[in-house]
Amino acid sequence: SQQGEEDPQALSIQEGENATMNCSYKTSINNLQWYRQNSGRGLVHLILIRSNEREKHSGRLRVTLDTSKKSSSLLITASRAADTASYFCATDAAIGGGADGLTFGKGTHLIIQP
Amino acid sequence: DVKVTQSSRYLVKRTGEKVFLECVQDMDHENMFWYRQDPGLGLRLIYFSYDVKMKEKGDIPEGYSVSREKKERFSLILESASTNQTSMYLCASSLPPAGLAGGRETQYFGPGTRLLVL
Repeated sequence: SQQGEEDPQALSIQEGENATMNCSYKTSINNLQWYRQNSGRGLVHLILIRSNEREKHSGRLRVTLDTSKKSSSLLITASRAADTASYFCATDAAIGGGADGLTFGKGTHLIIQP
Repeated sequence: DVKVTQSSRYLVKRTGEKVFLECVQDMDHENMFWYRQDPGLGLRLIYFSYDVKMKEKGDIPEGYSVSREKKERFSLILESASTNQTSMYLCASSLPPAGLAGGRETQYFGPGTRLLVL
């Protein structure tokens, strides 16, 4: 079942601009992860933020998490052509244990125009 | 670096054929997963495994089975391929959750297998 929903579905910006993508989810989570997928490839993990964290940075990436609003945002600063990809948020429901997979949203397709 | 490999990047099969998709990881991860990805539907979990010979159904297990005889290898089997199983198949592996209340850890994905069933 889908939990995370990314917004917007598609985003086109000029190289050098910042790109912001949002993710909303429905149930309480342990953590939230962001992944990138280049066309026709597997997903690559970008960043994991736990439910007790509010902000996390990794290079040009900044992720925020607002558990009261059940939302997260991914900011890519100073975008480059190589950032063109689909970006997915994945949530991990805070119910039960075990090894069940993450629940992925449908993704934001980001295009960086040269 | 974690490496997850999948046996084929592209595969073309005929309706009714038995299809094996292989996935191997080299990081000694306990957990392994199979997803399919379709336009407009995102990634959906087919099966997962948290140990050798263990398997659990995901959201869409119908028409699929899995095998995990060795820790590093997780196979997805389409017993009788159908056209609605044309899709991108993604394998992933991860460490187990950290503790009873721990969250799911980072998943490492293979490059994907694009399967076309005619």
